[in-house]
Amino acid sequence: DIQLTQSPSFLSASVGDRVTITCRASQGISSSLAWYQQKPGKAPQVLIYAASILQSGVPSRFTGSGSGTEFTLTIYSLQPEDFATYYCQQLNSYPRTFGQGTRLDIK
Amino acid sequence: EVQLVESGGDLVQPGGSLRLSCAASGFTLSRHWMHWVRQDPGKGLVWVSHINFDGSTTRYADSVQGRFTISRDNAENTLFLEMNRLRVEDTGVYYCARVRYGGYDFDYWGQGTLVTVSS
Repeated sequence: DIQLTQSPSFLSASVGDRVTITCRASQGISSSLAWYQQKPGKAPQVLIYAASILQSGVPSRFTGSGSGTEFTLTIYSLQPEDFATYYCQQLNSYPRTFGQGTRLDIK
Repeated sequence: EVQLVESGGDLVQPGGSLRLSCAASGFTLSRHWMHWVRQDPGKGLVWVSHINFDGSTTRYADSVQGRFTISRDNAENTLFLEMNRLRVEDTGVYYCARVRYGGYDFDYWGQGTLVTVSS
């Protein structure tokens, strides 16, 4: 199974900050990676797919990059609605594993 | 508007059974692969199962293999998860999710249904 390790697991930041979340895969997955945002009590919502393609309707301050085993999600100029938990997921092979999540809190 | 609505979650004793349903609307179910994903209470996302367009191919996490069965009724636009021999560790919110054309991600998710396995 492919393991995904996100870092950091917890992140405290302020409105207007730029933050970066990293997702490392235990083996190469090409660009088969998606990023999701989840708010308390809600289902996850896709932000980025195929490592770098922005989902329609998602603000351009979210960007994804990477391929192979290392991927990043960067949020430029944090907004109040961005404080949530973020997950990466690989779609290269089964099982379709998720990272453990990164909780982004307001400083 | 694409909608996925899960139902069937309940409190059940260890060893019991449940059948979850996911009603799809706003799109043609038969054109999409579908998945079930569990979220343990206060924790992360765990992939559970996958089914292809017509149900001829299914996949399961090792932890549920042999106990859970995924199926679909495309005529009724409904996805199912039959859960048998339930364990305490199966507790969580179960989401159904649609796969985007091309298989890039899970582009739509339901709101989830809570399964609690406890004596």
